[in-house]
Amino acid sequence: TQLLEQSPQFLSIQEGENLTVYCNSSSVFSSLQWYRQEPGEGPVLLVTVVTGGEVKKLKRLTFQFGDARKDSSLHITAAQPGDTGLYLCAEMDSNYQLIWGAGTKLIIKP
Amino acid sequence: NAGVMQNPRHLVRRRGQEARLRCSPMKGHSHVYWYRQLPEEGLKFMVYLQKENIIDESGMPKERFSAEFPKEGPSILRIQQVVRGDSAAYFCASSPAPGVTNEKLFFGSGTQLSVL
Repeated sequence: TQLLEQSPQFLSIQEGENLTVYCNSSSVFSSLQWYRQEPGEGPVLLVTVVTGGEVKKLKRLTFQFGDARKDSSLHITAAQPGDTGLYLCAEMDSNYQLIWGAGTKLIIKP
Repeated sequence: NAGVMQNPRHLVRRRGQEARLRCSPMKGHSHVYWYRQLPEEGLKFMVYLQKENIIDESGMPKERFSAEFPKEGPSILRIQQVVRGDSAAYFCASSPAPGVTNEKLFFGSGTQLSVL
């Protein structure tokens, strides 16, 4: 069974700082998705990475997929209070079901 | 174009009562997924349905829980004789088709079930 581990579980930093959160798997990902979830809302897809070594940018967010496709990272530059939320990674298994990490809870203090 | 609609947003039930959670997928989407989320945790898959068919219910407890997605109307997740451990946020997601690389699921805002 694929297991996704996200770290850190919780991160609280000041506005303007940079941060990186991680998603690691016990086996090779087929593809990986990153979501952000705000309190009281459902997750919203940020990006999907498919190819080993792939890097995708979404404004101040940079997503990397490890060469071996067993890990991924999300780097946020100059964090803003609007970045606050739960960041979840998820992988689609062979039955087309999403397997989710437990998430990193991010708080950006003004 | 309305997104995935879930209702109610909040549902309070006493132990032993029934809970009915509704999900209307996005227009044109015929695939519905139900997930459960406990505080500070990720989402746990419960059931995957297409119109009038349950495709995968491997994540759903065999007792007290049932789901349907009729030809007409919303998908329903039904929990009978609720217990305190059923308290959680229940999210519904929809997609037009499964299994496509870069498949995007659209999530509703969830139903927060509280069992007293």
